[in-house]
Amino acid sequence: EPEVTQTPSHQVTQMGQEVILRCVPISNHLYFYWYRQILGQKVEFLVSFYNNEISEKSEIFDDQFSVERPDGSNFTLKIRSTKLEDSAMYFCASSPTSGNNEQFFGPGTRLTVL
Amino acid sequence: GNSVTQMEGPVTLSEEAFLTINCTYTATGYPSLFWYVQYPGEGLQLLLKATKADDKGSNKGFEATYRKETTSFHLEKGSVQVSDSAVYFCALSDRQAGTALIFGKGTTLSVSS
Repeated sequence: EPEVTQTPSHQVTQMGQEVILRCVPISNHLYFYWYRQILGQKVEFLVSFYNNEISEKSEIFDDQFSVERPDGSNFTLKIRSTKLEDSAMYFCASSPTSGNNEQFFGPGTRLTVL
Repeated sequence: GNSVTQMEGPVTLSEEAFLTINCTYTATGYPSLFWYVQYPGEGLQLLLKATKADDKGSNKGFEATYRKETTSFHLEKGSVQVSDSAVYFCALSDRQAGTALIFGKGTTLSVSS
Protein backbone atom coordinates (compact mmCIF):
# COMPACT_ATOMS: atom_id res chain seq x y z
CA GLU A 1 0.00 0.00 0.00
CA PRO A 2 1.48 3.38 -0.96
CA GLU A 3 2.43 5.66 1.91
CA VAL A 4 3.82 9.08 2.66
CA THR A 5 7.43 9.06 3.82
CA GLN A 6 9.38 11.72 5.70
CA THR A 7 13.05 12.33 6.42
CA PRO A 8 14.72 12.71 8.78
CA SER A 9 12.76 11.12 11.60
CA HIS A 10 14.48 13.40 14.11
CA GLN A 11 16.33 16.66 13.53
CA VAL A 12 18.23 18.57 16.18
CA THR A 13 19.34 22.10 15.37
CA GLN A 14 20.59 25.25 17.02
CA MET A 15 18.36 28.31 17.32
CA GLY A 16 18.79 30.56 14.30
CA GLN A 17 19.80 27.77 11.94
CA GLU A 18 17.91 26.82 8.79
CA VAL A 19 16.30 23.41 8.54
CA ILE A 20 14.70 21.58 5.64
CA LEU A 21 12.23 18.81 6.30
CA ARG A 22 11.56 16.41 3.46
CA CYS A 23 8.54 14.45 2.41
CA VAL A 24 7.67 12.10 -0.43
CA PRO A 25 3.89 12.17 -0.94
CA ILE A 26 1.91 9.32 -2.43
CA SER A 27 2.75 9.30 -6.10
CA ASN A 28 -0.66 9.97 -7.69
CA HIS A 29 -1.72 12.57 -5.13
CA LEU A 30 -1.81 16.20 -6.18
CA TYR A 31 -2.43 18.05 -2.88
CA PHE A 32 0.28 18.27 -0.25
CA TYR A 33 0.19 19.59 3.28
CA TRP A 34 2.31 20.34 6.32
CA TYR A 35 1.00 20.17 9.87
CA ARG A 36 2.76 20.48 13.20
CA GLN A 37 2.11 19.12 16.66
CA ILE A 38 3.79 20.74 19.61
CA LEU A 39 4.34 18.16 22.33
CA GLY A 40 1.09 17.34 24.10
CA GLN A 41 -0.97 19.70 21.97
CA LYS A 42 -3.26 19.35 19.02
CA VAL A 43 -2.26 18.98 15.41
CA GLU A 44 -2.22 22.36 13.64
CA PHE A 45 -2.42 23.08 9.93
CA LEU A 46 0.45 25.01 8.40
CA VAL A 47 0.05 25.03 4.64
CA SER A 48 -1.41 23.27 1.61
CA PHE A 49 0.16 23.14 -1.83
CA TYR A 50 -1.23 22.37 -5.25
CA ASN A 51 0.01 22.81 -8.78
CA ASN A 52 3.30 24.28 -7.58
CA GLU A 53 1.81 26.98 -5.43
CA ILE A 54 0.42 27.50 -1.96
CA SER A 55 -3.35 27.09 -1.93
CA GLU A 56 -3.97 27.82 1.75
CA LYS A 57 -1.86 28.77 4.76
CA SER A 58 -2.43 29.41 8.43
CA GLU A 59 -1.30 32.29 10.63
CA ILE A 60 1.53 30.07 11.88
CA PHE A 61 3.02 29.92 8.39
CA ASP A 62 4.84 33.25 8.44
CA ASP A 63 7.80 34.52 6.42
CA GLN A 64 10.16 32.14 8.22
CA PHE A 65 8.50 29.19 6.51
CA SER A 66 8.53 28.18 2.87
CA VAL A 67 7.54 25.11 0.90
CA GLU A 68 8.80 23.75 -2.36
CA ARG A 69 8.36 20.84 -4.71
CA PRO A 70 11.91 20.71 -6.08
CA ASP A 71 11.31 17.68 -8.29
CA GLY A 72 8.60 15.22 -9.22
CA SER A 73 8.59 13.36 -5.93
CA ASN A 74 9.80 15.50 -3.01
CA PHE A 75 7.93 18.15 -1.05
CA THR A 76 9.94 20.21 1.43
CA LEU A 77 9.31 22.55 4.34
CA LYS A 78 12.04 25.07 5.10
CA ILE A 79 12.32 27.04 8.30
CA ARG A 80 14.76 29.88 7.67
CA SER A 81 15.84 30.80 11.18
CA THR A 82 14.58 28.37 13.77
CA LYS A 83 13.25 29.47 17.15
CA LEU A 84 12.86 27.45 20.31
CA GLU A 85 9.09 27.45 19.82
CA ASP A 86 9.49 25.72 16.45
CA SER A 87 10.28 22.52 18.34
CA ALA A 88 7.48 20.15 17.38
CA MET A 89 6.57 17.11 15.36
CA TYR A 90 6.03 18.06 11.73
CA PHE A 91 3.70 15.93 9.64
CA CYS A 92 3.46 15.87 5.89
CA ALA A 93 0.24 14.70 4.27
CA SER A 94 -1.11 14.24 0.77
CA SER A 95 -4.51 13.75 -0.80
CA PRO A 96 -5.93 12.98 -4.23
CA THR A 97 -8.11 15.46 -6.09
CA SER A 98 -11.23 13.50 -5.22
CA GLY A 99 -12.34 11.58 -2.15
CA ASN A 100 -13.75 14.19 0.20
CA ASN A 101 -10.37 15.52 1.25
CA GLU A 102 -9.14 12.35 2.95
CA GLN A 103 -5.52 13.10 3.80
CA PHE A 104 -2.79 10.52 4.28
CA PHE A 105 -0.11 11.35 6.80
CA GLY A 106 3.55 10.52 7.02
CA PRO A 107 5.23 9.32 10.23
CA GLY A 108 6.49 12.79 11.09
CA THR A 109 9.81 14.53 11.74
CA ARG A 110 10.56 15.51 15.30
CA LEU A 111 12.34 18.86 15.25
CA THR A 112 14.23 19.88 18.36
CA VAL A 113 15.59 23.43 18.50
CA LEU A 114 18.23 24.05 21.17
CA GLY B 1 -14.77 29.52 11.84
CA ASN B 2 -14.72 25.76 11.88
CA SER B 3 -13.78 24.01 15.10
CA VAL B 4 -13.78 20.63 16.80
CA THR B 5 -14.30 19.91 20.47
CA GLN B 6 -13.35 16.56 22.00
CA MET B 7 -13.88 15.22 25.46
CA GLU B 8 -10.93 15.71 27.76
CA GLY B 9 -8.81 12.71 28.53
CA PRO B 10 -7.20 10.59 29.56
CA VAL B 11 -9.71 7.79 29.32
CA THR B 12 -8.69 4.69 31.26
CA LEU B 13 -10.53 1.44 30.63
CA SER B 14 -10.18 -2.24 31.30
CA GLU B 15 -9.95 -4.65 28.41
CA GLU B 16 -13.35 -5.51 26.87
CA ALA B 17 -14.99 -2.34 28.23
CA PHE B 18 -17.19 -0.14 26.06
CA LEU B 19 -15.60 3.01 24.71
CA THR B 20 -17.16 6.34 23.83
CA ILE B 21 -15.14 9.42 22.94
CA ASN B 22 -17.31 12.45 22.35
CA CYS B 23 -16.69 14.85 19.50
CA THR B 24 -18.77 17.85 18.48
CA TYR B 25 -18.08 20.31 15.74
CA THR B 26 -18.90 23.76 14.47
CA ALA B 27 -18.85 24.27 10.74
CA THR B 28 -20.50 26.07 7.90
CA GLY B 29 -21.90 23.87 5.20
CA TYR B 30 -21.45 20.13 5.20
CA PRO B 31 -17.96 19.11 6.23
CA SER B 32 -16.33 15.71 6.03
CA LEU B 33 -15.63 14.20 9.45
CA PHE B 34 -12.72 11.98 10.42
CA TRP B 35 -11.23 10.10 13.31
CA TYR B 36 -7.45 9.72 13.27
CA VAL B 37 -5.43 7.57 15.67
CA GLN B 38 -1.86 8.11 16.82
CA TYR B 39 -0.17 5.10 18.42
CA PRO B 40 2.79 5.78 20.73
CA GLY B 41 5.77 7.04 18.77
CA GLU B 42 3.97 6.93 15.44
CA GLY B 43 2.25 9.28 13.03
CA LEU B 44 -1.42 9.85 12.33
CA GLN B 45 -3.49 7.08 10.79
CA LEU B 46 -6.97 7.52 9.43
CA LEU B 47 -9.29 5.34 11.49
CA LEU B 48 -12.64 6.12 9.86
CA LYS B 49 -14.53 8.84 8.06
CA ALA B 50 -18.04 10.02 7.15
CA THR B 51 -18.91 12.51 4.49
CA LYS B 52 -22.62 13.25 4.89
CA ALA B 53 -25.35 13.27 7.50
CA ASP B 54 -26.30 9.87 8.95
CA ASP B 55 -23.27 8.20 7.38
CA LYS B 56 -21.61 5.68 9.69
CA GLY B 57 -17.87 5.22 9.40
CA SER B 58 -16.42 2.00 10.74
CA ASN B 59 -13.04 0.27 10.96
CA LYS B 60 -11.35 -2.23 13.31
CA GLY B 61 -14.49 -2.43 15.47
CA PHE B 62 -14.71 1.35 15.88
CA GLU B 63 -17.78 3.24 14.67
CA ALA B 64 -18.90 6.85 14.44
CA THR B 65 -22.10 8.31 13.02
CA TYR B 66 -22.32 11.76 11.42
CA ARG B 67 -25.14 13.47 13.32
CA LYS B 68 -25.99 16.79 11.73
CA GLU B 69 -28.82 17.58 14.15
CA THR B 70 -26.47 17.40 17.14
CA THR B 71 -23.29 18.33 15.20
CA SER B 72 -21.58 15.29 16.66
CA PHE B 73 -19.35 12.45 15.54
CA HIS B 74 -18.79 10.33 18.65
CA LEU B 75 -16.37 7.42 18.45
CA GLU B 76 -17.49 4.08 19.90
CA LYS B 77 -16.15 0.58 20.28
CA GLY B 78 -17.96 -2.25 21.95
CA SER B 79 -14.95 -4.05 23.43
CA VAL B 80 -11.57 -2.34 23.65
CA GLN B 81 -8.23 -4.13 23.62
CA VAL B 82 -4.88 -3.20 25.13
CA SER B 83 -3.66 -2.57 21.59
CA ASP B 84 -6.23 0.23 21.20
CA SER B 85 -4.22 2.38 23.63
CA ALA B 86 -3.44 5.52 21.64
CA VAL B 87 -4.41 9.14 21.15
CA TYR B 88 -7.58 9.67 19.12
CA PHE B 89 -8.20 12.85 17.15
CA CYS B 90 -11.50 14.00 15.74
CA ALA B 91 -11.14 16.21 12.67
CA LEU B 92 -13.19 17.96 10.04
CA SER B 93 -12.60 19.57 6.71
CA ASP B 94 -14.47 21.08 3.86
CA ARG B 95 -15.11 18.41 1.31
CA GLN B 96 -13.10 20.24 -1.29
CA ALA B 97 -9.68 18.72 -1.78
CA GLY B 98 -6.80 20.83 -0.55
CA THR B 99 -8.49 22.40 2.44
CA ALA B 100 -7.09 22.19 5.94
CA LEU B 101 -8.05 19.50 8.40
CA ILE B 102 -9.16 21.05 11.68
CA PHE B 103 -8.30 18.79 14.59
CA GLY B 104 -9.62 18.47 18.09
CA LYS B 105 -7.15 18.40 20.97
CA GLY B 106 -7.01 14.62 21.06
CA THR B 107 -8.12 12.10 23.67
CA THR B 108 -5.66 9.68 25.19
CA LEU B 109 -7.03 6.19 25.69
CA SER B 110 -5.26 3.77 28.01
CA VAL B 111 -6.52 0.18 28.16
CA SER B 112 -5.27 -2.21 30.80
CA SER B 113 -5.54 -5.98 30.89
